[in-house]
Amino acid sequence: AQTVTQSQPEMSVQEAETVTLSCTYDTSENNYYLFWYKQPPSRQMILVIRQEAYKQQNATENRFSVNFQKAAKSFSLKISDSQLGDTAMYFCAFIAGTYKYIFGTGTRLKVLA
Amino acid sequence: EPEVTQTPSHQVTQMGQEVILRCVPISNHLYFYWYRQILGQKVEFLVSFYNNEISEKSEIFDDQFSVERPDGSNFTLKIRSTKLEDSAMYFCASTLVGGQADTQYFGPGTRLTVL
Repeated sequence: AQTVTQSQPEMSVQEAETVTLSCTYDTSENNYYLFWYKQPPSRQMILVIRQEAYKQQNATENRFSVNFQKAAKSFSLKISDSQLGDTAMYFCAFIAGTYKYIFGTGTRLKVLA
Repeated sequence: EPEVTQTPSHQVTQMGQEVILRCVPISNHLYFYWYRQILGQKVEFLVSFYNNEISEKSEIFDDQFSVERPDGSNFTLKIRSTKLEDSAMYFCASTLVGGQADTQYFGPGTRLTVL
């Protein structure tokens, strides 16, 4: 079965500090895509960053970067210089050979002033 | 920037009633999806839809559920006879093309409460 596990239900970080959110997944597929989505309170999920499994280079988007370890099936998100607007629920997800995303349970991140 | 929209934002219904949740995907997108999230649980895939047909569905998507694209802009999810366990947040998503390479864009969700 394909699964995604986010082991940190809640995290907090001081403004301007760095925080890493963990995600592990399980799949027997070799070709897949991984995503981090952000869901601010009462707002829609928006894509933060995505990673193609066939690419060894870790994806980066401004202050957001991932540490993709394919052999370990690990896909963590690092947020540098955290801002108050980063406060949100963060979902890790992947898709492999189908139309459907498999999501984790989410990590609620609070950035403290 | 184009967005997926959903109405209503919150729907309250009595058990056994029919509900229709509405979504307006991004205008040039061709693939449409419904997901749901029961409070405190994972976001779960329900169904994908392309060219007026279901392309994939989960075991959750039983005969009580149906989807339709009634016109060129709306995409609906109907639950024929709601149960208490249907209470959840329902998210619509769309993509330009299908498959794993295309990022899904999500709407803000409809919170369904079944009493």
